Amino acid sequence: ETGVTQTPRHLVMGMTNKKSLKCEQHLGHNAMYWYKQSAKKPLELMFVYNFKEQTENNSVPSRFSPECPNSSHLFLHLHTLQPEDSALYLCASSPSGTGGINQPQHFGDGTRLSIL
Amino acid sequence: QKEVEQDPGPLSVPEGAIVSLNCTYSNSAFQYFMWYRQYSRKGPELLMYTYSSGNKEDGRFTAQVDKSSKYISLFIRDSQPSDSATYLCAMSANRGSTLGRLYFGRGTQLTVWP
Repeated sequence: ETGVTQTPRHLVMGMTNKKSLKCEQHLGHNAMYWYKQSAKKPLELMFVYNFKEQTENNSVPSRFSPECPNSSHLFLHLHTLQPEDSALYLCASSPSGTGGINQPQHFGDGTRLSIL
Repeated sequence: QKEVEQDPGPLSVPEGAIVSLNCTYSNSAFQYFMWYRQYSRKGPELLMYTYSSGNKEDGRFTAQVDKSSKYISLFIRDSQPSDSATYLCAMSANRGSTLGRLYFGRGTQLTVWP
């Protein structure tokens, strides 16, 4: 059983819709991440939160808006998305945002997003 | 040049074969090396991690790092159909602006047939 839970597992939305992805971790970690996984491409880091503070925004378009109310929950708010935004969105957590051998990232099973 | 290069495959082997998966990288600051396994419709799960150069063995899995060649490998002995998955290499640095950030390869899709 994964310690990182993502909902919904699947989401189909039109380009004008607004929706949110949710991530919850039960590992007591302090850092949380959003990644985008597209076919045949490496995982793309989108956002990093460390102790609820955003520490990295990897040049992500403003139609993606993250929110981290506490160290256990992370949201990704979506609005006016484009067809090329269709992908698997993965959430991960680690003890803190400094990485390293003692701090591997643990992933959820992702939300499969399809934009019509 | 991409930070991490990984052949996406697909790679198909018979049960019992030895599988070799590889990644190359360009950033000499990388010190931590990981392999993740991702089953279909699942998230990546950490399989192996190593620091700097050398080997690490865990059951049927062996991870090797050759920093002089900027080359890492994952070997799977006595491969099983349950090993069928996509294998992602990942690495991070211990200094500089990339501190802590994980850089991933594209993943290699492996199928082990009975």
